[in-house]
Amino acid sequence: SQTIHQWPATLVQPVGSPLSLECTVEGTSNPNLYWYRQAAGRGLQLLFYSVGIGQISSEVPQNLSASRPQDRQFILSSKKLLLSDSGFYLCAWGFSSGNTIYFGEGSWLTVV
Amino acid sequence: AQSVSQHNHHVILSEAASLELGCNYSYGGTVNLFWYVQYPGQHLQLLLKYFSGDPLVKGIKGFEAEFIKSKFSFNLRKPSVQWSDTAEYFCAVNAGRDDKIIFGKGTRLHILP
Repeated sequence: SQTIHQWPATLVQPVGSPLSLECTVEGTSNPNLYWYRQAAGRGLQLLFYSVGIGQISSEVPQNLSASRPQDRQFILSSKKLLLSDSGFYLCAWGFSSGNTIYFGEGSWLTVV
Repeated sequence: AQSVSQHNHHVILSEAASLELGCNYSYGGTVNLFWYVQYPGQHLQLLLKYFSGDPLVKGIKGFEAEFIKSKFSFNLRKPSVQWSDTAEYFCAVNAGRDDKIIFGKGTRLHILP
């Protein structure tokens, strides 16, 4: 069976510091991978998605970037965090385009 | 661009009441539609989905949703809610079989015991 792991679960970072959130999927190959941000009253905002190694699509211009260095690894990064980057970040994977996606446990980021 | 609108941000019901949560999407072509649920302290999980065929789909825990193409809607229903249905519900759409799945802003459902 497939599993998705996301870490760290919680993170408190000062403004201006870098960020790295990591997500890995096990039990499948060539999954579609997604990063969402969940904020109160704003639902789930799609940030990035990837259909293959090195292929990243950005949905929202912002202070974040994503990379996919390996088939089942998806990394969310920032060089300098802003207060507005605080939130709950969710990684998800799917078998193919348009199909059901499955979420990880999420990472709480607080920028102070 | 595809988008999803959920009409109710907060809904409060008593146990045994009937539930209907509205969801509308904006896209004129083929769509895949989803409802996800997030129970308190748990991660998001799939409640039900529509890809094709019978527009009335049944999901887990007695939930169902009806796809009405002419109304661009995919409303979620349950005839009799339980306290354990307290959660946040998200409608989502994949339009044209592309790679993105877009979510609505969610509806927080609170069931009074």
